[in-house]
Amino acid sequence: GAGVSQSPSNKVTEKGKDVELRCDPISGHTALYWYRQSLGQGLEFLIYFQGNSAPDKSGLPSDRFSAERTGGSVSTLTIQRTQQEDSAVYLCASSLIPGSSYEQYFGPGTRLTVT
Amino acid sequence: DQQVKQNSPSLSVQEGRISILNCDYTNSMFDYFLWYKKYPAEGPTFLISISSIKDKNEDGRFTVFLNKSAKHLSLHIVPSQPGDSAVYFCAALQSNAGGTSYGKLTFGQGTILTVHP
Repeated sequence: GAGVSQSPSNKVTEKGKDVELRCDPISGHTALYWYRQSLGQGLEFLIYFQGNSAPDKSGLPSDRFSAERTGGSVSTLTIQRTQQEDSAVYLCASSLIPGSSYEQYFGPGTRLTVT
Repeated sequence: DQQVKQNSPSLSVQEGRISILNCDYTNSMFDYFLWYKKYPAEGPTFLISISSIKDKNEDGRFTVFLNKSAKHLSLHIVPSQPGDSAVYFCAALQSNAGGTSYGKLTFGQGTILTVHP
């Protein structure tokens, strides 16, 4: 389809291992966002890529978290040395900036479970 | 600092009645607001939005009201249907923000709406 896709849909990992989560935004969308939703919580902003500008990393909770966006399209969120508190649904969204609306289109998310 | 707050974690409504979901914000620079709906195991989907130059926007069964002086907005769903049962998120942004803040949404915690048949 033409929507935002994320992989894997589910990931179970052991504490201390590294994980990579992938996001394929909608073609032509210049802005890409990562959020996470912990159990019973709202959407917590993590990082924002806009075109070729330096990303807004202000939401990353620790230096174990990093993200890249290659060629202005696909993005990878990496969590090193995972901890149990990293367990959450990680959501990616993209949008057309500038645009007539600020609507962000979300992928289905990756459910990460750290055991 | 929670700049967008949805103080009701859950709301239960009878089918056919009105659902009113509330949202408060603290940042007076926010001038564009959106509502998203989220079903389990899916990403949030856009529902309706409103610019601060308006106080009401309507789309079918969904109406969003904005009270700028109170820094409060609400989403009305009428009539409510069982398929409306989902988590509803309020989000806000500052449309004239520069640099890396441009287009950045701040979300509330969400309200779980349950519509009973």
